[in-house]
Amino acid sequence: EVQLVQSGAEVKKPGESLKISCKGSGYSFSNYWIGWVRQMPGKGLEWMGIIYPGDSDTRYSPSFQGQVTFSADKSTSTAYLQWSSLRASDTAMYYCARHLDVVATTSPLDYWGQGTLVTVSS
Amino acid sequence: QSVLTQPPSVSGAPGQRVTISCTGNSSNIGADFGVHWYQQLPGTAPKLLIYGNNRRPSGVPDRFSGSKSGASASLAITGLQAEDEAEYYCQSYDSSLSLWVFGEGTKLTVL
Repeated sequence: EVQLVQSGAEVKKPGESLKISCKGSGYSFSNYWIGWVRQMPGKGLEWMGIIYPGDSDTRYSPSFQGQVTFSADKSTSTAYLQWSSLRASDTAMYYCARHLDVVATTSPLDYWGQGTLVTVSS
Repeated sequence: QSVLTQPPSVSGAPGQRVTISCTGNSSNIGADFGVHWYQQLPGTAPKLLIYGNNRRPSGVPDRFSGSKSGASASLAITGLQAEDEAEYYCQSYDSSLSLWVFGEGTKLTVL
């Protein structure tokens, strides 16, 4: 059974760093793109970018380029999303999800993690 | 404002049929990258409902169907049930922006 399990909720202060995780199981983690999606409170879904764990190829949405960093560890089948300096506006639910096939431009996100709630408040 | 336009809300009585539209342009829906639909029940992660314009993943009831014409797509739900009350999002790839885009979401209310 394919599963993506994300790390737990985080409460941070502005300026702090953070790294959240997304652990895949039940499939060949290296061979499927992982996407990250933000959902701010009461708002819709925003595509942040994707990473291919096989070679760590990444694509960022211009809205998130330079604000976050994606990484992946093939040995532990885990993808990461990190911030070096959080802002209050980063408060949101963050989802990881798997692209259905290797051609990411035409494939949907078929399996989703349960989400990680990040709260940034002084 | 998203490049994919959806109505903010739709509603229908149990048993009825509703449709949700998703309008894009020649760089996304009209460019044949495929339209995908997600259902997000309150407090849960999104779930893939329709992919590749009109394909249903295993386990999705055939009450849900998708279609595409030109630069627009639609999700149809027949035999509406109370459990269908959720937010629905369309998604595609935009070649001019070089990124994946979601519609702003449509809240379905079952009356």
